[in-house]
Amino acid sequence: AQTVTQSQPEMSVQEAETVTLSCTYDTSENNYYLFWYKQPPSRQMILVIRQEAYKQQNATENRFSVNFQKAAKSFSLKISDSQLGDTAMYFCAFMKHSAGSYQLTFGKGTKLSVIP
Amino acid sequence: GAVVSQHPSRVICKSGTSVKIECRSLDFQATTMFWYRQFPKQSLMLMATSNEGSKATYEQGVEKDKFLINHASLTLSTLTVTSAHPEDSSFYICSARARVGGTDTQYFGPGTRLTVL
Repeated sequence: AQTVTQSQPEMSVQEAETVTLSCTYDTSENNYYLFWYKQPPSRQMILVIRQEAYKQQNATENRFSVNFQKAAKSFSLKISDSQLGDTAMYFCAFMKHSAGSYQLTFGKGTKLSVIP
Repeated sequence: GAVVSQHPSRVICKSGTSVKIECRSLDFQATTMFWYRQFPKQSLMLMATSNEGSKATYEQGVEKDKFLINHASLTLSTLTVTSAHPEDSSFYICSARARVGGTDTQYFGPGTRLTVL
């Protein structure tokens, strides 16, 4: 079974600054996907970024980037130039890369507050 | 692309009644959909995996006779909470699996807040 750990229940960052959210996971799988989802106060889960484990290059989506360390089983999210709209719960999630198995294992989340 | 809708967004019902929640993939076909429950300030808890044309797979501890799931088409899955009780009050979220750029990804609906009086 896989586990995902987010060790920071809450974080805050000043607007326009950079913040990094931590995520570690435990698995015996070699092929898998990792995701960061954002859940703002509206409670809509929004995909922020995804990473395939076989890719060494870190994924980037505009102001969002990840630091994927496969050997260390670490998958942190960096948010640059933080904006007020980034205030949300952020969930790290793991998915096995296996036909017929598409379940997500979520971490407990990190509540990020962007301060004006 | 990969938009998932969910209806209704909010529902209030009396104890003992049944409530149906619909989850639709609007611009893609989803052979697999998922139903989650989320308690306040907690992460998502997977209830069941819904596969088109076959029976849903329920997670341990989830009563399949209470939470009926039907995935009759490639764009629609429904969750029916039967004989609802106040302890069933919660936020229910569905997701649909899509393959985008060679990567399987779950896209989520906006959720349904169920309140059972």
